[in-house]
Amino acid sequence: ILNVEQSPQSLHVQEGDSTNFTCSFPSSNFYALHWYRWETAKSPEALFVMTLNGDEKKKGRISATLNTKEGYSYLYIKGSQPEDSATYLCARMNSGGYQKVTFGTGTKLQVIP
Amino acid sequence: NAGVTQTPKFRVLKTGQSMTLLCAQDMNHEYMYWYRQDPGMGLRLIHYSVGEGTTAKGEVPDGYNVSRLKKQNFLLGLESAAPSQTSVYFCASRSGGYSNQPQHFGDGTRLSIL
Repeated sequence: ILNVEQSPQSLHVQEGDSTNFTCSFPSSNFYALHWYRWETAKSPEALFVMTLNGDEKKKGRISATLNTKEGYSYLYIKGSQPEDSATYLCARMNSGGYQKVTFGTGTKLQVIP
Repeated sequence: NAGVTQTPKFRVLKTGQSMTLLCAQDMNHEYMYWYRQDPGMGLRLIHYSVGEGTTAKGEVPDGYNVSRLKKQNFLLGLESAAPSQTSVYFCASRSGGYSNQPQHFGDGTRLSIL
């Protein structure tokens, strides 16, 4: 993996369904991974900052895991609600230098009532 | 509780005109960034700054200049606007050093070049 890649690109789920998506990133020179939630016509807002291999973070119905050795993170949403509809971005921060931050292109989630 | 403020929010320019986008943050953050967001491309880094008086190029710097004369402000300039610079521009800031803090984003500037 040379860049930060997110899959799927977009996702439609029914209200009440649980869902998850993936962020893959280069594992070398890794420092931190950030997840952001980006609603239409707004600015990205930070959900989680993850640094350690095996990290798990949770905020309400949203949780995330991190595997720095293999270079991936999963974001889970339990019991999706229409207000969860947004684009979910991950961003990898590398160690050294100015801590370059590279964003993925996001997963656009649409929750259908 | 302003956070990161971008001005203007919208602007329409003609090809060849110049303009400056202003980003101001009140969180005493060291690092500031300018991104552009285009459909299917995600956020692409234009320029960034790691402190007052410093600037550096990001992924897509051509056609833009920046200045960070004061710690709280980061200006993005277009000297001669081109239609390819039609985009939504986001400014962000964060604490410097090896902090675990995420970036804080402004609300964006929607720029159209005719």
